[in-house]
Amino acid sequence: DTGVSQNPRHKITKRGQNVTFRCDPISEHNRLYWYRQTLGQGPEFLTYFQNEAQLEKSRLLSDRFSAERPKGSFSTLEIQRTEQGDSAMYLCASSPGTGSANYGYTFGSGTRLTVV
Amino acid sequence: GEDVEQSLFLSVREGDSSVINCTYTDSSSTYLYWYKQEPGAGLQLLTYIFSNMDMKQDQRLTVLLNKKDKHLSLRIADTQTGDSAIYFCAESKTAGNMLTFGGGTRLMVKP
Repeated sequence: DTGVSQNPRHKITKRGQNVTFRCDPISEHNRLYWYRQTLGQGPEFLTYFQNEAQLEKSRLLSDRFSAERPKGSFSTLEIQRTEQGDSAMYLCASSPGTGSANYGYTFGSGTRLTVV
Repeated sequence: GEDVEQSLFLSVREGDSSVINCTYTDSSSTYLYWYKQEPGAGLQLLTYIFSNMDMKQDQRLTVLLNKKDKHLSLRIADTQTGDSAIYFCAESKTAGNMLTFGGGTRLMVKP
């Protein structure tokens, strides 16, 4: 297992277009998280899944954002009608979940979105 | 609401110790973490501490927690140029739950 994989690494899109990012977590991890990081800031929580169930969504996740994890494995994050303010690094992380000896997440390298 | 604060920048000389500080406001924070982020990369978990602990040591890293003052610090002994990165502290209330991050401290190590 090579860790958490995110694709694409970079995405440049025109304002108003839709974009979709993919995250492949560590295979035995049942929790998957999405965070957004803007330049010079710490990551901000967007949403997380326990298997295929989306358990929590941040108020940052507007109606234009939707995340899925249909089979409890990989996840997609879609942004509709992108705005310049959506430009950021989108980070995915996974963890074994509660009750595990590993309390930290494993983060992917992120997808950098630039909206022009 | 939760708030996690860090100083923006720290510069040290190679071989010295670095101390990165963090304060948080939520007294129900149970798990506290330190992550490292190098340019263009994701976040790497360095260490974590439970709120019922005062100190944790892991090789060159020492984490100190003052729960009364809600203050967390990360000490890096014998700092190397490869330690240059941004360091984030983060807290969560339960294991596997969402993390709240500070804004990060940029550590610059001068040869």
